Amino acid sequence: GEDVEQSLFLSVREGDSSVINCTYTDSSSTYLYWYKQEPGAGLQLLTYIFSNMDMKQDQRLTVLLNKKDKHLSLRIADTQTGDSAIYFCAEKGSGNTGKLIFGQGTTLQVKP
Amino acid sequence: KAGVTQTPRYLIKTRGQQVTLSCSPISGHRSVSWYQQTPGQGLQFLFEYFSETQRNKGNFPGRFSGRQFSNSRSEMNVSTLELGDSALYLCASSIGTANTEAFFGQGTRLTVV
Repeated sequence: GEDVEQSLFLSVREGDSSVINCTYTDSSSTYLYWYKQEPGAGLQLLTYIFSNMDMKQDQRLTVLLNKKDKHLSLRIADTQTGDSAIYFCAEKGSGNTGKLIFGQGTTLQVKP
Repeated sequence: KAGVTQTPRYLIKTRGQQVTLSCSPISGHRSVSWYQQTPGQGLQFLFEYFSETQRNKGNFPGRFSGRQFSNSRSEMNVSTLELGDSALYLCASSIGTANTEAFFGQGTRLTVV
């Protein structure tokens, strides 16, 4: 079945890099996403990667995809206090559907 | 370009009542999906609409229903509210069902007392 797993909490110092990890089970996933949620807000799309890619970089964000191990990671370079939020990994399956399967979310705490 | 608009932002209802939530997608987007977010269950898919047709439905009881209008705006309805329906309800908008990017609204926080 479809399942997405994330570690629940990560704490880093301001200026360090953060790496948030995610594993998924659906080998037919076409796209994998990272969303950010700040307190009291909706989900903000940060970046996504197509399943035939293994890396995507977008400014401070780097996404790595290991399709063989069904492992996705999000690296945030030079982490700032404003990056403190919950980060969700999500997968989109094959077929003509927009349905997303989300992980439980990783709370990123950035200490000054 | 305006983002996804959900109304109302906050709602308090009593058990047994019914509620209707509204979502206006980004202009030009024809696909709307709904998700329920709770601390215990996380983000769960409710349903997906495209061109006024329900394309996909999650594992929720029949008390949860929705519809989409010709202007792509969508509503979801929950009848006979239960305490466990208290959640943040999020709407996502995309150009089409196979589109890569889904953009979320701020959500409607429903509290059932």
